[in-house]
Amino acid sequence: AQSVAQPEDQVNVAEGNPLTVKCTYSVSGNPYLFWYVQYPNRGLQFLLKYITGDNLVKGSYGFEAEFNKSQTSFHLKKPSALVSDSALYFCAVSFRSGNTGKLIFGQGTTLQVKP
Amino acid sequence: GAVVSQHPSWVICKSGTSVKIECRSLDFQATTMFWYRQFPKQSLMLMATSNEGSKATYEQGVEKDKFLINHASLTLSTLTVTSAHPEDSSFYICSARDWGEAYGYTFGSGTRLTVV
Repeated sequence: AQSVAQPEDQVNVAEGNPLTVKCTYSVSGNPYLFWYVQYPNRGLQFLLKYITGDNLVKGSYGFEAEFNKSQTSFHLKKPSALVSDSALYFCAVSFRSGNTGKLIFGQGTTLQVKP
Repeated sequence: GAVVSQHPSWVICKSGTSVKIECRSLDFQATTMFWYRQFPKQSLMLMATSNEGSKATYEQGVEKDKFLINHASLTLSTLTVTSAHPEDSSFYICSARDWGEAYGYTFGSGTRLTVV
């Protein structure tokens, strides 16, 4: 079965330190991978996506992620965390399912950045 | 960029009544929209895929008679929670596929439904 896993429920990091939010996937075929951020009682905001090409993807707000096919991972990273980065982060994968390409989400990881 | 407007942001209703949630794509045509349900501090669970002009495709375990989805135009999809009960209380989020952008998905701001 196709699935996405975020092994950490919560990640704590001090402001100014680098952060990593982990994501692994289990799919057949070539996945399209996404990261979204959600603030309380809000919808999801797009951060970045990997469709094809360069494995290192740069996105919004200084975030980046690296597609690693051999490790089936797509970890989200940022060199220097901000307190305002504190939020709920979702990794997602899309497939060619008919013509819809629905998104399947990981469990989510709460990022807590402390001053 | 693409914008999806979802209304209402929050709604409180009595048990047994029905509630309609609207999802509109404001600056693009959305032939496909998705409806998700999210419980507190949990992930998004896909409920159904809505295709303009045809019946929605529901995920396993989602009651189609309970959660009515209509996608009558290229810019509007609605989710109606019929005969709502307290266990239907949740955060509902819609998403639209922007075919003008390679694998672009835009999300609405969500609707907090509370059934009392």
